[in-house]
Amino acid sequence: GQNIDQPTEMTATEGAIVQINCTYQTSGFNGLFWYQQHAGEAPTFLSYNVLDGLEEKGRFSSFLSRSKGYSYLLLKELQMKDSASYLCAVRDHGNTGFQKLVFGTGTRLLVSP
Amino acid sequence: EPEVTQTPSHQVTQMGQEVILRCVPISNHLYFYWYRQILGQKVEFLVSFYNNEISEKSEIFDDQFSVERPDGSNFTLKIRSTKLEDSAMYFCASSEGQNTFGSGTRLTVV
Repeated sequence: GQNIDQPTEMTATEGAIVQINCTYQTSGFNGLFWYQQHAGEAPTFLSYNVLDGLEEKGRFSSFLSRSKGYSYLLLKELQMKDSASYLCAVRDHGNTGFQKLVFGTGTRLLVSP
Repeated sequence: EPEVTQTPSHQVTQMGQEVILRCVPISNHLYFYWYRQILGQKVEFLVSFYNNEISEKSEIFDDQFSVERPDGSNFTLKIRSTKLEDSAMYFCASSEGQNTFGSGTRLTVV
């Protein structure tokens, strides 16, 4: 089966650092994505990991451990506009070999002044 | 930056009616997807499409749903005999690596 877990909600203060964790169990792993989604809008791509380790992209970094089925998204120097849902998604081969994204429920991040 | 375009942005329909949601994927992408997101819930995969045919579909994508690529640019999702529980955001995505999502169609079935 496929299962992706992430916390439902987190709060943080402007300027701080926050880490959003994601654990997953899938049958055909081929990469892990993080998306940002503001209410009523489409998910927008933040980062992608397929090999173990840390990928850094400005204020955002993402880490992957395939052996542990674990990833995290690290957001530095938080800004008010970072208040959004953060979606962890695993790219899964599926039964046909074609790839689809399997999403977690998302973590709603509230950044306060 | 290339983008995926979806129309309409909002659609209200009577229960039992048919709706067609339209998408224009990024022009050089070959893989197309439909996802849906019921309010307050996670994004769910519906169907993937490659080389003018369905490559995979989820349990949600039953006989009520169909997809088409009627020409070289459009990609449509048809929902027949809509039910209240079909109310959701429907996202089209295209991919040559990472999924790029359209802005979505909010479908409300009344």
